[in-house]
Amino acid sequence: SQKIEQNSEALNIQEGKTATLTCNYTNYSPAYLQWYRQDPGRGPVFLLLIRENEKEKRKERLKVTFDTTLKQSLFHITASQPADSATYLCALDGQGDNQGGKLIFGQGTELSVKP
Amino acid sequence: EPEVTQTPSHQVTQMGQEVILRCVPISNHLYFYWYRQILGQKVEFLVSFYNNEISEKSEIFDDQFSVERPDGSNFTLKIRSTKLEDSAMYFCASSEGLRVEEQYFGPGTRLTVT
Repeated sequence: SQKIEQNSEALNIQEGKTATLTCNYTNYSPAYLQWYRQDPGRGPVFLLLIRENEKEKRKERLKVTFDTTLKQSLFHITASQPADSATYLCALDGQGDNQGGKLIFGQGTELSVKP
Repeated sequence: EPEVTQTPSHQVTQMGQEVILRCVPISNHLYFYWYRQILGQKVEFLVSFYNNEISEKSEIFDDQFSVERPDGSNFTLKIRSTKLEDSAMYFCASSEGLRVEEQYFGPGTRLTVT
């Protein structure tokens, strides 16, 4: 069955450093991958989407890579700030030929940026 | 900036009771979704809805669940006879298109079944 794994341990880094979060998947060939941010008690907030034919995508301090050979996506936040502290979720389309728009989420990685 | 809204923010109900969770998706969006998140667990897909019918549903979305778009703005999730294990955050989401589109989530309704 399809499986998505993110770093289960919380990531603690110092302000100004680059945070790198990992999303691995198995038994799966997604057409695209998305990253969301979730704050406690709140709904996920869309950050970036990358398609299977794209290697890298950037938006301001955020960068996502997508390696379909390794079945892995890396999510980077450069010049991190305490306001970046949140849980970051990786999400894949439900199936390669998905017709219903279903997203399958990883369990998320909690990021804590210390001043 | 347009956003998805949900009501109520918190619903407490007794086991066996019916609940209706309400959502107002972003106005020009055509696709609507419900997800749930049990405390400490992953966000799980329940159902997607387009053109007044269900596009896809998960195994969780059994006969106890139903969705409806009763008018041009609201999108509802009904649970007919709640169980203790239905306690979770329920998120509504919408997207402008279907494939390869980001989804915009509401703030969620926390459902507590006692």
